[in-house]
Amino acid sequence: AQSVTQLGSHVSVSEGALVLLRCNYSSSVPPYLFWYVQYPNQGLQLLLKYTSAATLVKGINGFEAEFKKSETSFHLTKPSAHMSDAAEYFCAVKREYGNKLVFGAGTILRVKS
Amino acid sequence: DAMVIQNPRYQVTQFGKPVTLSCSQTLNHNVMYWYQQKSSQAPKLLFHYYDKDFNNEADTPDNFQSRRPNTSFCFLDIRSPGLGDAAMYLCATGHPYNEQFFGPGTRLTVL
Repeated sequence: AQSVTQLGSHVSVSEGALVLLRCNYSSSVPPYLFWYVQYPNQGLQLLLKYTSAATLVKGINGFEAEFKKSETSFHLTKPSAHMSDAAEYFCAVKREYGNKLVFGAGTILRVKS
Repeated sequence: DAMVIQNPRYQVTQFGKPVTLSCSQTLNHNVMYWYQQKSSQAPKLLFHYYDKDFNNEADTPDNFQSRRPNTSFCFLDIRSPGLGDAAMYLCATGHPYNEQFFGPGTRLTVL
């Protein structure tokens, strides 16, 4: 069965610093992977998705993620953090059967000025 | 713009008083989902519709029901809300094997 582990429930970076949010997945089949962002009292917004095309996926707001099969990872990065990036980020994997997503526990990103 | 709309954004109800949350979409997606999200937790899937086919999660309490009268609308009914049902309720839509698009959510408070 598919599962997702997000390492670090809270990550704090300085404005302008590199953002790295970690996601490891478990899947018996080639996975469909997603990163979502959630601002306070809002729904989830899709940042990017991996669907077995290019391993380096570019998303919105300057974020990108690299699919590494050997490491079963799909870490999210952004070269330079902005105050507006402060939010909660969820990694998710599509279940093998059906139309459901399995979410990680989430990582809250704090950006310090 | 194509989107997922949830009404109301904030709902206050009394303990035991039935409440209905509404979701509509202009994306014409086959699948509509309802999630419950409590503070600092990941969204928890309650159920979803694939067209008219209803799919309940095994651990969704009977207190939660859903209706999908047409492609565009889906409702979440909570028959007798308890204090533990206070949460953000998220509606999402999608095509099979594609990403899900989320609405802004309804924050439910139970007094």
